[in-house]
Amino acid sequence: SAVISQKPSRDICQRGTSLTIQCQVDSQVTMMFWYRQQPGQSLTLIATANQGSEATYESGFVIDKFPISRPNLTFSTLTVSNLSPEDSSIYLCSVPGGQGSYNEQFFGPGTRLTVL
Amino acid sequence: AQKITQTQPGMFVQEKEAVTLDCTYDTSDPSYGLFWYKQPSSGEMIFLIYQGSYDQQNATEGRYSLNFQKARKSANLVISASQLGDSAMYFCAMRVYSSASKIIFGSGTRLSIRP
Repeated sequence: SAVISQKPSRDICQRGTSLTIQCQVDSQVTMMFWYRQQPGQSLTLIATANQGSEATYESGFVIDKFPISRPNLTFSTLTVSNLSPEDSSIYLCSVPGGQGSYNEQFFGPGTRLTVL
Repeated sequence: AQKITQTQPGMFVQEKEAVTLDCTYDTSDPSYGLFWYKQPSSGEMIFLIYQGSYDQQNATEGRYSLNFQKARKSANLVISASQLGDSAMYFCAMRVYSSASKIIFGSGTRLSIRP
């Protein structure tokens, strides 16, 4: 299984600022996924990040608000820009199983964001 | 469009009993995979079990089994001999391989085990 770490684990931010979340995987993966989990809700996919190409965003999510970087096969960042209280959520990165196995999908521990 | 439906927002089960968590899905793609995750109060997402659309047998992992009924488009999770530590949110999810292999989630079921 993949071991995924995220930084920070939690943060409290002021309205109008930005937060950048880092995701590090212990193995090389082609695809990385970023999810949001709003309080008491399920997980919603924000975007898919492939190394060497622009991220693909889901409906309702835009690059200006959620810019993503994917500089190599083990690392990605998600920035949540111009924060508002509605952005208070847990943000999780996720990768498929090892060696391109798509019958597994693993998640990082999440970043809990609170916007005041 | 793909969709996952979990109709049980919450369930209470007596310890040591078996429990079935319902999940139905909708896709027109013949190639897909179904997942179940457990999310305890700590927030981590724990992968439990996977069933591929072409798998002939129901998946099993220890006390977890997936009751896959393809014609009905259902993928229910069965937990045998429930334990207090099974109390958590459970999410059903689907990966459609023609759709950039992304995974979409159902709304979840909160399972509470009574001692």
